[in-house]
Amino acid sequence: QLQLQESGSGLVKPSQTLSLTCAVSGGSISSGGYSWSWIRQPPGKGLEWIGNIYHSGSAFYNPSLKGRVTISVDGSQNQFSLKVTSVTAADTAVYYCARDQVGTGFDPWGQGTLVTVSS
Amino acid sequence: EIVLTQSPATLSLSPGERATLSCRASQSLSNYLAWYQQKPGQAPRLLIYGASYRATGIPARFSGSGSGTDFTLTISSLEPEDFAVYYCQQRSNWALTFGGGTKVEIK
Repeated sequence: QLQLQESGSGLVKPSQTLSLTCAVSGGSISSGGYSWSWIRQPPGKGLEWIGNIYHSGSAFYNPSLKGRVTISVDGSQNQFSLKVTSVTAADTAVYYCARDQVGTGFDPWGQGTLVTVSS
Repeated sequence: EIVLTQSPATLSLSPGERATLSCRASQSLSNYLAWYQQKPGQAPRLLIYGASYRATGIPARFSGSGSGTDFTLTISSLEPEDFAVYYCQQRSNWALTFGGGTKVEIK
């Protein structure tokens, strides 16, 4: 059964770069028909899609994040990563990674990791 | 950006009652809509995709309907474990978006 696990720094200073990795187990990140997404949820608020990437390396990003986001994939390590530059307190959130099957939805999800932006 | 508006924001019901949740889109989605359930401290779980198809392992009391701009998630008879927040999500456009959520709480 496919499992995803987020890891990375839980505390980031304002103006610095947030970096997270999602390790995929129980299946290959190179499987066709899927993309791999990052989604975040500020404390007490709703869900926001950040972006996704295909195993080919093609990536798509939420326009509202204004070019601050980069998602990359490492097939050899079976993982994908997220970088968000110039962070502010508004980037404080639980960050989830998830598999996105074309035509269906996000399933499964990682357990999520809280990232706090604070000096 | 496609905006999804969910209503009501909060639904107060008793176990055994029927829950009807609405999701309205700012433009036509065809049937490219999914529903998720989220419980406190947990990641969301996919319930419905393609507007009306139940995901693997989802009980039959959950059903989805609609197309175009108006969609509905129905829980036919609420079980105690169904009290949670529900989100709709569109995949008609490459810039994926979620609705603001409906909280189903115990009355």
